Amino acid sequence: TQLLEQSPQFLSIQEGENLTVYCNSSSVFSSLQWYRQEPGEGPVLLVTVVTGGEVKKLKRLTFQFGDARKDSSLHITAAQPGDTGLYLCAGANNDMRFGAGTRLTVKP
Amino acid sequence: SAVISQKPSRDICQRGTSLTIQCQVDSQVTMMFWYRQQPGQSLTLIATANQGSEATYESGFVIDKFPISRPNLTFSTLTVSNMSPEDSSIYLCSARTGSGNTIYFGEGSWLTVV
Repeated sequence: TQLLEQSPQFLSIQEGENLTVYCNSSSVFSSLQWYRQEPGEGPVLLVTVVTGGEVKKLKRLTFQFGDARKDSSLHITAAQPGDTGLYLCAGANNDMRFGAGTRLTVKP
Repeated sequence: SAVISQKPSRDICQRGTSLTIQCQVDSQVTMMFWYRQQPGQSLTLIATANQGSEATYESGFVIDKFPISRPNLTFSTLTVSNMSPEDSSIYLCSARTGSGNTIYFGEGSWLTVV
């Protein structure tokens, strides 16, 4: 059983569409991180959110940390084929636990 | 931030052999971790590498199979012992710097057991 439930597991959309990925847990985390991983590479950190209710933007990506620091969302606006990849959320206390990942495919 | 280097980056190993993966961080870090990522799956924590003492293993992972060393604040090794095809995975080293909330990853070591 995953400590972090990530959904959807797979997502295939057309270029220009918007999407949201969710990461939920019953546990409280001191911080939550989102990573993106492409085939043949290690995970690359996108953002760290620390404060409940925090919203961070990275170009077309918007990250939100839930008020209770148990959940988070990643919203991508006007997705592009370059956004294709595996998106991983990870909750941190002393160590870091990962969700199952969302495999996003953006078709041109 | 921290730059984490792992080697080997890839290897093909014979069944029954053991392989040691090295992880070097470019700065002193408080905590180091080892993860496994099986094909098509997310990352699973194997253990926390403790400096100067035995690693702390997660449920399902044991020291005899995955011995870990951490002789100082910048270096750790993970050995995958008596390998079988089921051990074919990416093994990732990660580290947390100071009191920061961010954990950084190496590029991973891609092992294929034949």
